[in-house]
Parts: sequence; C-alpha cells; structure tokens
Amino acid sequence: QVQLVESGGGLVQSGRSLRLSCAVSGFTLSSYGMHWVRQAPGKGLEWVGSISFDGNKKNYGDSVKGRLTISRDSSRLYLEMNSLRAEDTAVYYCARDLSLATEWPGYWGQGTLVSVSS
Amino acid sequence: AIQMTQSPSSLSVSVGDRVTITCRASRDIKNDLGWYQQKPGKAPRLLIFAASRLQTGVPSRFSGSGSGTDFTLIINGLQPEDFATYYCLQDYFYPLSFGGGTKVEIK
Repeated sequence: QVQLVESGGGLVQSGRSLRLSCAVSGFTLSSYGMHWVRQAPGKGLEWVGSISFDGNKKNYGDSVKGRLTISRDSSRLYLEMNSLRAEDTAVYYCARDLSLATEWPGYWGQGTLVSVSS
Repeated sequence: AIQMTQSPSSLSVSVGDRVTITCRASRDIKNDLGWYQQKPGKAPRLLIFAASRLQTGVPSRFSGSGSGTDFTLIINGLQPEDFATYYCLQDYFYPLSFGGGTKVEIK
C-alpha cells in the first residue's frame, strides 16, 4: 500500500530556513518521480517542484526557484526551504507519480503546514 | 509558464445534476491534462489523467474530454459525495500548473 507522510512543518520566522520530509512506504522511491505541491490558506493548489525517478532532473515553479530545493535519499523526499517569506505559508503536500510511465501526481500525503511569520 | 484558466470558479447544483467544468490552456498541451477533486482538509485526489483516462476506483459518472487548449470535466448525476473543489493540472510543460479551481456547492 502506497503511503506518504509529510513532516517538518511549523511556525518559522521570515528569512529563516526549514526542511520538510516525506517518508514513503509501499514502493521504491528510486523508481518513481515525486512532486511537492502547496496550498495557501483558502487558496488553490500550486505546483512547487518535482524530482525525476533517478534524481537527475529537478524542476521548480517560478515563485520558488532559487529558494527551494528538492532532494531525496532511499526512503525520504525532502524540500529545503530557504529565505522563507510570508507568502510561503501553506500546506505542503508530497505526491508520487501515478505510475512508472506517467508523471501525474497520483498518490498524495496528508500535508504539513508551514506558517511564516513576518 | 502555461496559464490554466478554469471556469466557472464556483457553481451551485443539486444532487442528480449534470456538471460541466472547463479548463483552457494558454498554449497547446496536447492531451496532458488531469483533473483532481479536493474536499476540505483533505489532499487532492486524481480523477482523470491524459484528458480522458479514468483513474482506478473513480466512478464512471466522471468523464473528461478535450485536447490542445480546451478541456472539459463532466459529472453525470452528481452525488452527495461529489460536492468538492475541482482542479485541472497541465503536465505538458514545466513548470506544471493548476487551474484556479471550481467549487461545486449544494444549491
């Protein structure tokens, strides 16, 4: 059974850094592409970025490029967040590609809330 | 970046109604369009990918169509559990981009 569990969220001051984790089980992380998606309070979904199954390709949304970095090890996906701003306040979801042959975020965690205070 | 324009932003409907939600891409995205359902406090759920392919376990009252720049999600015979917010997502160009969402509310 595919499971993704995010952690690491919390209250942080503007300008500081935070690292989110996504623990996975039920599949091999190195076989699937992974995504981070966020949702500000009361707002819509925003794609943050992704990492390919082999870790060689990383892509980021325009609003986070240069400040957020995606990485992974054998069992966890990470999102390193630097120079945090109030507008980074959101629930952050990790998601796995639907299958080996598709890049759709198909399996999602429950999310972790990041609140940035100014 | 590709802009995804979703409409309407909200609609009030009754159980049993047919619901149509549209999504327009600012450039040709072939058929790389997915639809997600999200309920309050929950993670999004993938309903349809590649414009018209139903994800496993999704009821057949959901259907998707379109290609190029114009796409449609149809819910035939809305059920009580379908009241939610729906988002489209284009997967053709990086960065990926979501539509603004359509909130389906009870009339």
